Amino acid sequence: EVQLLESGGGLVQPGGSLRLSCAASGFTFSSYAMSWVRQAPGKGLEWVSAVGNGGGSTYYAGSVKGRFTISRDNSNNTLYLQMNSLRAEDTALYYCARGGILATLSYFDYWGQGTLVTVSS
Amino acid sequence: DIQMTQSPSTLSASVGDRVTITCRASQTISSWLAWYQQKPGKAPKLLIYKASSLESGVPSRFSGSGSGTEFTLTISSLQPDDFATYYCQQYKSYSTFGQGTKVEIK
Repeated sequence: EVQLLESGGGLVQPGGSLRLSCAASGFTFSSYAMSWVRQAPGKGLEWVSAVGNGGGSTYYAGSVKGRFTISRDNSNNTLYLQMNSLRAEDTALYYCARGGILATLSYFDYWGQGTLVTVSS
Repeated sequence: DIQMTQSPSTLSASVGDRVTITCRASQTISSWLAWYQQKPGKAPKLLIYKASSLESGVPSRFSGSGSGTEFTLTISSLQPDDFATYYCQQYKSYSTFGQGTKVEIK
């Protein structure tokens, strides 16, 4: 059974940093691209970032480019999102999602339950 | 950036109704489009990928069509479990979601 378990969310002050993790199991992690998608309270879905299966190709939404860094550890089946210079508008539930096996940019067939990030003073 | 616009934003319907949701892309995305269903407090669930391919395990009352810039999600006979919010997503260039369509009970 495919499982994605996010962690690392919490309350952080504006300008602060946070590192999210997503532990994957039930599939060959190193074969799939992975993404982070966020959802602000009461709002719609926003794609944040994607990383290819090997970690060499990365993509970012304009709203986070230069502040967030996506990475992965295929030996430990874990996806990461390093978030720096956080702003109030980054407050959201952050989902880890499994992407494609052939392309970094793809649809998402499995999602975690999310970890909540709140940016507030 | 490719913008995705869904219509309507809210749809009121009854059990048994045929429901259609439209998604328009600001530029051509070929068939690189997916549809998701999300219920309150839950993660999104993939319904359709590549515009018209039904994800395994998804009921056949869901169908998708379109290519280029205009796409539709159709529920042939609305069931009680289908009241939810639906999102389209393009993955032709980076990735973008539509703003969502809430299907509520009439």
